[in-house]
This record gives sequence, structure tokens and C-alpha cells, in this order.
Amino acid sequence: GENVEQHPSTLSVQEGDSAVIKCTYSDSASNYFPWYKQELGKGPQLIIDIRSNVGEKKDQRIAVTLNKTAKHFSLHITETQPEDSAVYFCAARVYNAGNMLTFGGGTRLMVKP
Amino acid sequence: DGGITQSPKYLFRKEGQNVTLSCEQNLNHDAMYWYRQDPGQGLRLIYYSQIVNDFQKGDIAEGYSVSREKKESFPLTVTSAQKNPTAFYLCASSVIDRGSGYTFGSGTRLTVV
Repeated sequence: GENVEQHPSTLSVQEGDSAVIKCTYSDSASNYFPWYKQELGKGPQLIIDIRSNVGEKKDQRIAVTLNKTAKHFSLHITETQPEDSAVYFCAARVYNAGNMLTFGGGTRLMVKP
Repeated sequence: DGGITQSPKYLFRKEGQNVTLSCEQNLNHDAMYWYRQDPGQGLRLIYYSQIVNDFQKGDIAEGYSVSREKKESFPLTVTSAQKNPTAFYLCASSVIDRGSGYTFGSGTRLTVV
């Protein structure tokens, strides 16, 4: 089955700096890659996603890039703010596997003011 | 507004008791999922259901049971056979015919007292 690895597990940045979180996946048939943000004591919220026919997608300060050849995708957050502090999860979905997502282990991002 | 509701937010269980966590969605999603999250850890799949009256075991189903009598509802029972039930439980729902993100509930924190 699909395996998703996420790095780093913790990331500390200064406010205003950029943050990058990377995920690799194992199944080349994966075609959908969402990212979730989980604030303390809450459920994860979808913040951005990308499909395999697209190499990059942006939404204000966040962007996701996908490299299908290398089987990895990354979340980029620019101009980080303290409210970006949270746990971020990547996920991958294998084509024709229903809509089962395989999640990465999560990254705790801390933005220091 | 459409959404997914988990209740209660906090639940305390005595040793040897069964408890049931509620999950209701009005998004008309076919698929529903239960995840367990331990402190500082990722998401582990307990059970999922893609159609009424049918459900499948996830990675850590032992000590848990579910039912799917209605499309909108997917309750999780934590039985006395679950030896370490203290955790944060997340319910999610999604469509199943294409890659799309899950919508998560706000979670139930279960503590054994």
C-alpha cells in the first residue's frame, strides 16, 4: 500500500521567514495530495491541495509543489506569522483506491515572534 | 451550514466501561472515517465506511466497534477491550468517487479515570 513520509517532524522559524515541509510517497499511482493544518485541540483543516496534473499551486502565502518523477511534494509558507503555528499533515491518495488518504506523520511548526 | 459534528467534546470513562462517541455529518458524504491521535502523534485509522450498513477495519480496530445505520451518522464505541483508550478521536467524511479532501470534526478527547 501507499506510504507517506513527512519531514521535518518539528520546525521552528522566526516570524517573517519562510517554512518548507516535505513529503515523499511510494505509490506512483497517487494522484491527489492535500495538506491539513491542525491547531491545538481542534480537528485538521484542509488548507491547500494539488492534483497530479499540476506542478504547483498557490493560495496567498501558501504554495504546494509536486514532483511526480521524484515522488515528493512540499508545502511552502512565506512571511510566516505566529498564527501559522500548528501541526501540518500531508496526505496522498492512490488513483482508483476510493478516496482513501494516507497521511504523513505530521510537522509541528513553531513561529517565534 | 454543512459540516461534521462530534460529541461530546470531552468524555471520561471508568475502567471496564464501554463509551460511544457520536459523529454526524450533513454534507451528503458517502464515506466516513474514525481516527485516533495520541499526544504529539499522527493520525491512525480505526474504522471507515463507504456505504450504509458496511464498514471496514483500519489499522488499529481492536477494542473498537462502529455502526453505519444512516448515511449521516457513524458512531464509534470504545469497548472495555481497548486497554489504552485515552486519546483524541477524530471523525471525518468525504466523497468517494474522486480525490478530494476529508472534512474533519472538532474531535472528542477521551480520558480514562
